[in-house]
Amino acid sequence: KAGVTQTPRYLIKTRGQQVTLSCSPISGHRSVSWYQQTPGQGLQFLFEYFSETQRNKGNFPGRFSGRQFSNSRSEMNVSTLELGDSALYLCASTEGQDYGYTFGSGTRLTVV
Amino acid sequence: GESVGLHLPTLSVQEGDNSIINCAYSNSASDYFIWYKQESGKGPQFIIDIRSNMDKRQGQRVTVLLNKTVKHLSLQIAATQPGDSAVYFCAENNLRATNKLIFGTGTLLAVQP
Repeated sequence: KAGVTQTPRYLIKTRGQQVTLSCSPISGHRSVSWYQQTPGQGLQFLFEYFSETQRNKGNFPGRFSGRQFSNSRSEMNVSTLELGDSALYLCASTEGQDYGYTFGSGTRLTVV
Repeated sequence: GESVGLHLPTLSVQEGDNSIINCAYSNSASDYFIWYKQESGKGPQFIIDIRSNMDKRQGQRVTVLLNKTVKHLSLQIAATQPGDSAVYFCAENNLRATNKLIFGTGTLLAVQP
């Protein structure tokens, strides 16, 4: 079974730009979650999608948004990028919330 | 100003020794717990999980212990190997309320050959 695939692996953007990150979950997994990992804050929950609906949202500003498609693939978007948005963005999928979450390798976003 | 990084506790062990990594979780309503291993440049890798109706679960070379009274979780790794060197995170979830993992700050395990 293929794992969780995130693209791109690395991204460099300028302040004020916007960015879209992509996540393809494990086949059959309908729940996709996004996390931000930084040295200062650790791993923090962004949002979770299930069957194209956002079920949970973390404490991030409205500049962070996401969506899920009918094939369970998910994208997250960050608008008006700030230097503090530089982070590793991780996507995780699960077939059920008590079955464990499988993470992708992440997208390393650098805002300059 | 500069951001201050999280200070990662470090556990240094000799190859072949047993390792114990501890975690204090925050929410007494959490009922599902997972240990993850994260190597440099990679995403967190699932190691083992435990539900709140259990106090111990064993996997291959790993054991997780859960003490709900004091909200404490531990991961024991038997016969630690150099390949076990990584950052280990505990994560908690409240399955009845939300579907989001709350992660601990992590522990860096350094295995000396």
